[in-house]
This record gives sequence, structure tokens and C-alpha cells, in this order.
Amino acid sequence: QSALTQPASVSGSLGQSITISCTGTSSDIGAYNYVSWYQQHPGKAPKLMIYDVSNRPSGVSNRFSGSKSGNTASLTISGLQAEDEADYYCGSYTSSSTLDIFGTGTKVTVL
Amino acid sequence: EVQLVESGGGLIQPGGSLRLSCAASGFAVTSNFMAWVRQAPGKGLEWVSVIYSGGDTYNADSVKGRFTISRDNSKNTLYLQMNSLRAEDTAVYYCARRSQEYSYGLGYWGRGTLVTVTS
Repeated sequence: QSALTQPASVSGSLGQSITISCTGTSSDIGAYNYVSWYQQHPGKAPKLMIYDVSNRPSGVSNRFSGSKSGNTASLTISGLQAEDEADYYCGSYTSSSTLDIFGTGTKVTVL
Repeated sequence: EVQLVESGGGLIQPGGSLRLSCAASGFAVTSNFMAWVRQAPGKGLEWVSVIYSGGDTYNADSVKGRFTISRDNSKNTLYLQMNSLRAEDTAVYYCARRSQEYSYGLGYWGRGTLVTVTS
């Protein structure tokens, strides 16, 4: 039950766009469109931002978008705002385990 | 409104037992996929145990044989019985729900309860 691979940190200036990658295998991201993204502020519970690769739950800003190519999924945050500073985790269904898997997590810093 | 409220965490010695509870409101626990997800201090998210609406349960390898997930229909509550606790089980434990509206995404989370295993 190994984790999906994310960069440890990504930073960007206010108003810029950033992209977080999430690399898996042909048993998870590469095979299924069940990729989710979660935002977590310090001391808070995770919040679902994207599900099924590119769908946003109601109430989530359209500045957040998701995509996938091969074994890698991506989360793009456009028009970066101060409140976007948080940890972000990807997640995916996997056929190689009875449990889904999370990514290693990425700390987003707004400069 | 959907709410998940965890309780039962605390300080426990290695080898001890704890039972976590997750009181749900706004939906029926028995009709949904429910999960326990934990986060060790300064670390990432980790799946612990899940229970499907049909009753099937699955556990992470790290807790197999020690943790048991269950639910009480009458109390609309999810549980996690944790036995033979180890220092590496120290974490915030979150209860989460997967609903049809968000497919495989965990759309609803509780605030979490902290379990600290230390002598």
C-alpha cells in the first residue's frame, strides 16, 4: 500500500497559477478516473476539492481544476490567493489493494 | 446538514485499547461507505479501515488483526476498536464518508480525535 508521489512543496506569488503533480501507476491513476484532491489547513480536517479527476464539489472555487495524463494527475490553482496556502493531497482508487491510496502531500506556499 | 463528530481519543499506554466513535447526523451510516483515516503528527493521510454499505470491511496492513471497524444502526454511529496499540498508531483519527454525489471522493469529514500512544 505505497503512496502516490507528490512534490513536497510548491510556491507561487499572489495571482499566479501553480500546478501540483501526483504520480501513480497503471494500477491506479493510469487505469481509473477516480482521482481526488484534498486541501488541508493546519489543524483542520481535509476538504474535498476535486473528485473523479476534474469535478468540483459545489462551493469549491473554479480557480481549482484537475486533469490527468497517463499515470500522473495534476491540480492547478489559478489566481493564487493567500487562503490557498495549505497542504494538498491527491487520492486514487487502486486495483492493487482493498483500500484506496493517498499521495505524499504537497505544501503550497503563497509568496 | 451532514455532520460527523469523533470522540474517544486520548492518552494510552502501548499495548492498551481504545474505542473511537463517530456520531453521524444528516444521513444513515448504514447506507454509505465509511472510513477511518489517520494522520500522524507532521505526516500525511493514511487509510486505516473502511466499511461498505453492505457490511464488508477492510483494514490497512499496518492495523490488521488489531483494529476493527463497525457501526451501530440504532445510534447511527461508526466505531473503531483499537487493540494492542503501538507508538506508531499515534495520530489524529478522522471519520469520513463517501457519498454518491462525489463518487470516490471523501466528501465529508469529521474534525478528528487525537490518539497518543506513549508510556
